[in-house]
Amino acid sequence: NAGVTQTPKFQVLKTGQSMTLQCAQDMNHEYMSWYRQDPGMGLRLIHYSVGAGITDQGEVPNGYNVSRSTTEDFPLRLLSAAPSQTSVYFCASTNPSTYEQYFGPGTRLTVT
Amino acid sequence: DAKTTQPTSMDCAEGRAANLPCNHSTISGNEYVYWYRQIHSQGPQYIIHGLKNNETNEMASLIITEDRKSSTLILPHATLRDTAVYYCIVRVGSNDYKLSFGAGTTVTVRA
Repeated sequence: NAGVTQTPKFQVLKTGQSMTLQCAQDMNHEYMSWYRQDPGMGLRLIHYSVGAGITDQGEVPNGYNVSRSTTEDFPLRLLSAAPSQTSVYFCASTNPSTYEQYFGPGTRLTVT
Repeated sequence: DAKTTQPTSMDCAEGRAANLPCNHSTISGNEYVYWYRQIHSQGPQYIIHGLKNNETNEMASLIITEDRKSSTLILPHATLRDTAVYYCIVRVGSNDYKLSFGAGTTVTVRA
């Protein structure tokens, strides 16, 4: 039981490049979320999903796309990277019975 | 969602109880109080949550005032590994996957 896994751990992009941050969970949770955390700040919700085929925007969705084709995977796509997207990105899944949210180890992204 | 107010930072002696306050004066009847913590560079970790009654688990206790306008997270015997940022979050239980994290309280446990 690996919990929530994220790849890559670190990434450097140039402005304008695109990439996909991967997130997977093996707990069969319907609810999954993506957050970003800027230095010295709390986490902010980017997008979330309540099940396969269903996604919605969070607090800061601009510049990001998501899809949910399976219960296990919830990738986050950066369409055209900008320096303002330099951040640490966390994926999470929620146990609907206990309300406990499980977070992955994060992806540290730098956009130059 | 109700807004929460927490102190920016606090220190605690190793082995002593750490009492972390949180004010949520605008909380409504169906909103839960959640606590998470984030140890440096890691993803946040769930600690405990409650609605009205006090709650206890293996990590901590949560004391909610009778009027529900404030709460206290208690770490009974703080260790150096409890040094972290602690977040108090108020959320409707059925929407908990949309947690909104503020700046939290930076807790430093000193030997």
